[in-house]
Amino acid sequence: GAGVSQSPSNKVTEKGKDVELRCDPISGHTALYWYRQSLGQGLEFLIYFQGNSAPDKSGLPSDRFSAERTGGSVSTLTIQRTQQEDSAVYLCASSPNRGETQYFGPGTRLLVL
Amino acid sequence: QKEVEQNSGPLSVPEGAIASLNCTYSDRGSQSFFWYRQYSGKSPELIMSIYSNGDKEDGRFTAQLNKASQYVSLLIRDSQPSDSATYLCAVTDTGRRALTFGSGTRLQVQP
Repeated sequence: GAGVSQSPSNKVTEKGKDVELRCDPISGHTALYWYRQSLGQGLEFLIYFQGNSAPDKSGLPSDRFSAERTGGSVSTLTIQRTQQEDSAVYLCASSPNRGETQYFGPGTRLLVL
Repeated sequence: QKEVEQNSGPLSVPEGAIASLNCTYSDRGSQSFFWYRQYSGKSPELIMSIYSNGDKEDGRFTAQLNKASQYVSLLIRDSQPSDSATYLCAVTDTGRRALTFGSGTRLQVQP
């Protein structure tokens, strides 16, 4: 079946602009996660959604970052007033339920000039 | 701060040899353990998951877990050049819902 999809695959923006990154999880997966991976670094947890529960936002680096998940499916990660240090690959993953294997999308490569 | 530690490498092995990748974690409550492979410029893909002490084999891959020592490893038998990638160890527990990743070990298999 279809895997996790993300769009856009690449995004170049100017410092100070807002960006929206989209994630379509695997159908039927109740858990959705956002991670960030800077060049040559490991994955940094950002936010987690599980069903209709309140999201775990403990990994968001600043209040410029926010995310929502509509209808328990598609999620959008928004970065306001982007900074150069926001440049990274933003990865979305989904899993059938909490704690189970996470499957990753191809990522969105964000470059802030 | 819950941590997952890996040797960054690169770990270089000749084709056909066994590659041994190691990972330690700090949270004794961790319940689930995963190995992901990440090719350059690509997203992580699951190699193995392991939940209980001992060995778990899948083809050329064997995951080993020792909760008492807080240690998990991945063995790759008959290493191939196509195995050259960064291997990420990831850990979760019943309380934490996301994965904590190590920084990864870069494996190079020499033809």
